[in-house]
Amino acid sequence: QKEVEQNSGPLSVPEGAIASLNCTYSDRVSQSFFWYRQYSGKSPELIMSIYSNGDKEDGRFTAQLNKASQYVSLLIRDSQPSDSATYLCAVKNAGNNRKLIWGLGTSLAVNP
Amino acid sequence: DTEVTQTPKHLVMGMTNKKSLKCEQHMGHRAMYWYKQKAKKPPELMFVYSYEKLSINESVPSRFSPECPNSSLLNLHLHALQPEDSALYLCASSQVGAGSYNEQFFGPGTRLTVL
Repeated sequence: QKEVEQNSGPLSVPEGAIASLNCTYSDRVSQSFFWYRQYSGKSPELIMSIYSNGDKEDGRFTAQLNKASQYVSLLIRDSQPSDSATYLCAVKNAGNNRKLIWGLGTSLAVNP
Repeated sequence: DTEVTQTPKHLVMGMTNKKSLKCEQHMGHRAMYWYKQKAKKPPELMFVYSYEKLSINESVPSRFSPECPNSSLLNLHLHALQPEDSALYLCASSQVGAGSYNEQFFGPGTRLTVL
């Protein structure tokens, strides 16, 4: 069974701090990795994609991928109360199908 | 502005009703998806269309019937639903083909309540 695991949280950080969200996956041949942000009652919003080992930065967000250790992380710098949401990790395996394997999400609370 | 739109935003229906959910994408994508999401759970894939052909059906009950009239539109026809089908229904789209990494972009969803 291919799995994606995340700590459910809640992860609580003070405003201005760095929030670190982690995700591990079981299928070694996974090739594409995504972080989605979902506010309560809203749809998931794609905030980061990463495909190669290393870091990818976009504004206050940095995604880190380590295929050897099978983990992907998301760092949010200068966390704001508006970052409070559930963060979903999704992984696409090799192959032609279009299925994503989803983690259960980590709830992040940024406290003013 | 979201480039994947869904209508209606909210829908309440009885178990004997027939209704349809609609999705339109303006991103030029050739893959479209229906997901169902329950509270505090990740999205659960229902159907995938690729180049307007159904490519994945995740063993969804026949009371859900998808349709892809063209590359921009996706419908989900609902009939004889059960109260446990109440959920947020999400449409998504992505590119296909070589070099595509399957980034999926979601619409705002339809909140469905079955009485």
